[in-house]
Amino acid sequence: DAGITQSPRHKVTETGTPVTLRCHQTENHRYMYWYRQDPGHGLRLIHYSYGVKDTDKGEVSDGYSVSRSKTEDFLLTLESATSSQTSVYFCAARQGPTSGNTIYFGEGSWLTVV
Amino acid sequence: AQSVTQLGSHVSVSEGALVLLRCNYSSSVPPYLFWYVQYPNQGLQLLLKYTSAATLVKGINGFEAEFKKSETSFHLTKPSAHMSDAAEYFCAVSEAGANNLFFGTGTRLTVIP
Repeated sequence: DAGITQSPRHKVTETGTPVTLRCHQTENHRYMYWYRQDPGHGLRLIHYSYGVKDTDKGEVSDGYSVSRSKTEDFLLTLESATSSQTSVYFCAARQGPTSGNTIYFGEGSWLTVV
Repeated sequence: AQSVTQLGSHVSVSEGALVLLRCNYSSSVPPYLFWYVQYPNQGLQLLLKYTSAATLVKGINGFEAEFKKSETSFHLTKPSAHMSDAAEYFCAVSEAGANNLFFGTGTRLTVIP
């Protein structure tokens, strides 16, 4: 058990509304990540955090923002949801400081934008 | 730049047959390589990883993978497929000093009774 929980697990929202997904971890991991998973694309990094208040963009960051005010919580916000942001979102956290350490994943959040 | 190519988005095998899922990577420095499995409606679970120790890596559920630098490959194998192996499998690469994993597009494994 990686100790990573995501909420909500399922959400349907309307185009143009803001949406926040929450990730909570209990293992004191320094690094946390938000990915989106889409058919034919695998998992793509949206944003990641390397410490409290320290975040950086991934490869598909447009339309998303993140915040990390506590070690255990990493929030992903869609400022104004669009249909192209319908996806499955995964939070993840890394076990240790080096690149060879395992990244553990949460169970996913299914977001539908109508 | 790091990247991963998984050959075959769908692979079907008979129960008891050899499973072979292909992964080729691109990396400018020695890579770290990972295989993850995803069951329906679940997150990704680590199967195994290569971190520059032994080139043949054994993972959970009877899977193993061999790092071949000359072929830039990290193919996943299992001698005998089981029905419970049906899932989607992702290969991923990271480099020393990198903060992220780069994933392939995944291979869906179907096991035929």
